[in-house]
Amino acid sequence: KAGVTQTPRYLIKTRGQQVTLSCSPISGHRSVSWYQQTPGQGLQFLFEYFSETQRNKGNFPGRFSGRQFSNSRSEMNVSTLELGDSALYLCASSSNAGGDGYTFGSGTRLTVV
Amino acid sequence: GENVEQHPSTLSVQEGDSAVIKCTYSDSASNYFPWYKQELGKRPQLIIDIRSNVGEKKDQRIAVTLNKTAKHFSLHITETQPEDSAVYFCAAKGNSGAGSYQLTFGKGTKLSVIP
Repeated sequence: KAGVTQTPRYLIKTRGQQVTLSCSPISGHRSVSWYQQTPGQGLQFLFEYFSETQRNKGNFPGRFSGRQFSNSRSEMNVSTLELGDSALYLCASSSNAGGDGYTFGSGTRLTVV
Repeated sequence: GENVEQHPSTLSVQEGDSAVIKCTYSDSASNYFPWYKQELGKRPQLIIDIRSNVGEKKDQRIAVTLNKTAKHFSLHITETQPEDSAVYFCAAKGNSGAGSYQLTFGKGTKLSVIP
């Protein structure tokens, strides 16, 4: 059974640009959540999608947005990139909403220069 | 919303000794508490979890205990081995107020097992 797949693995972007990250959950999983991981702050919750609906949103500015498609694949978008957005972005999937038994992907390492 | 504090931030133990990592949470209605292990350069992996209706859970050398009254839970690793070296994260799923039904993570504990 394939795990959670995130693409791309690495990205380098310039300040002011925008970026789209992709996450394919485990087959059958309908919940996808996104986390930002930085050395100082640990894992910070961005948002959760379940059956194409955003259930929860973390304390991030509106530049961070996401969506989920009918096949449960999810994308997150960051517009007007800032240097502080450099981080590892992890997505996690679960068969039920709320994070029980999350399986994480390997993440996308975003560097903003 | 939920707030999770994790201690210590770093922990060094001799191989074969036990390691204990503690977390406290703020939302008394939280009902799910997983622990994740993240090795260097790899994804966080779920190692054990516990629900609020259970006080203790064991899986081989790993155990988790939950004290709902004090709002804290702990990870215990016995007979540590070098491959246990990693960063461990606790988390709690809030069940009331803003940010309910999502996992809030502690800031992690870097465990080093010295051969």
